[in-house]
Amino acid sequence: GAVVSQHPSWVICKSGTSVKIECRSLDFQATTMFWYRQFPKQSLMLMATSNEGSKATYEQGVEKDKFLINHASLTLSTLTVTSAHPEDSSFYICSARKSAGSLETQYFGPGTRLLVL
Amino acid sequence: KQEVTQIPAALSVPEGENLVLNCSFTDSAIYNLQWFRQDPGKGLTSLLLIQSSQREQTSGRLNASLDKSSGRSTLYIAASQPGDSATYLCAVYAGRRALTFGSGTRLQVQP
Repeated sequence: GAVVSQHPSWVICKSGTSVKIECRSLDFQATTMFWYRQFPKQSLMLMATSNEGSKATYEQGVEKDKFLINHASLTLSTLTVTSAHPEDSSFYICSARKSAGSLETQYFGPGTRLLVL
Repeated sequence: KQEVTQIPAALSVPEGENLVLNCSFTDSAIYNLQWFRQDPGKGLTSLLLIQSSQREQTSGRLNASLDKSSGRSTLYIAASQPGDSATYLCAVYAGRRALTFGSGTRLQVQP
């Protein structure tokens, strides 16, 4: 199977600081990774699509200058929450897309819980 | 824009019951549909993936069906157990974009 890891699994930070979350595909290469956000008792909402070697594509309403995405290699994408505020507290989940011929499947990381005080 | 709806939003059943979770989507041009399980405070566990050319998939006590033309999928859970208690999410994949998730069904199986 395909494995995607996220680090850290949880983080607590003070308001105004920046937090970096890593998403790694451990046993396959992923030219495309996705970042989702989930608020309590709500479903996952796509934040942005991370493309290796190019700029990320952000969903409407997601500030690209606040949520910096870097996909510098085929196995690593990072999400940096800059100048975090309490309203940024959420569960962040990444996924990596694996292609096998015409079939494409997304594999999800275990998520990162962010609490901004 | 693809929209995914799950009914019911919450469900509580006694142990041993068979149950059906429903998922509907507005745009039938999908590549596949996936059912996930999410335990409180945890990530996603993929349960079943149905390709657009398939009509159903089975894994143990779980059976998922797909009717792409009508934009519907059902997840059937046989002989439910307390360990099945979780939120079940339906998601569809279309083209080069990410998955679009439904709002989920919170299932509670009473012992």
